[in-house]
Amino acid sequence: AQTVTQSQPEMSVQEAETVTLSCTYDTSESNYYLFWYKQPPSRQMILVIRQEAYKQQNATENRFSVNFQKAAKSFSLKISDSQLGDTAMYFCAFMFDNNDMRFGAGTRLTVKP
Amino acid sequence: DAGVIQSPRHEVTEMGQEVTLRCKPISGHNSLFWYRQTMMRGLELLIYFNNNVPIDDSGMPEDRFSAKMPNASFSTLKIQPSEPRDSAVYFCASSPGFPPGYEQYFGPGTRLTVT
Repeated sequence: AQTVTQSQPEMSVQEAETVTLSCTYDTSESNYYLFWYKQPPSRQMILVIRQEAYKQQNATENRFSVNFQKAAKSFSLKISDSQLGDTAMYFCAFMFDNNDMRFGAGTRLTVKP
Repeated sequence: DAGVIQSPRHEVTEMGQEVTLRCKPISGHNSLFWYRQTMMRGLELLIYFNNNVPIDDSGMPEDRFSAKMPNASFSTLKIQPSEPRDSAVYFCASSPGFPPGYEQYFGPGTRLTVT
């Protein structure tokens, strides 16, 4: 079975500082895709960043970047220059080649002023 | 594009009643997914369709749940009879389907409360 583990139920960071959210996964597949989604209080699920497993280069999207370690099956999200609007639940997700996607339990991030 | 549309946004019903949740995917998307979100179990995939055909319904909790996709622009998730433990937020998501690995675009969700 493929599982996604987010070991930090809650985290907080001061505005303008950097925070890293952890995610590990377990799979025997060689080709897959990884995502981070954000769910603010509005409950809308919003894509933050996407990584293809066959690409060694870490994905970056403005203040958001990932540290993808395929051998360690680790996929952490780094948020730089944290903003109040980054306060949300963050979900790590694993997608099979057939588009079936599985989510971690989520990390609640609070950005403090 | 209006994005994925779900209706109703909120539904309150009594135990034993039938509940139907509706979803309109983004035009041109070939894959559609139904998820359930609860505090206890997080986000669970219930069922997904490719080209209107159910591919995997192993996440459907029991026979009280059923889903249909009669055409490319409409899907329903039905619970009959409903129970209090079905209370959750139900999300519909769609994606282009091909090539694989596209992000899934989520609707705003339907908050279901069964009393």
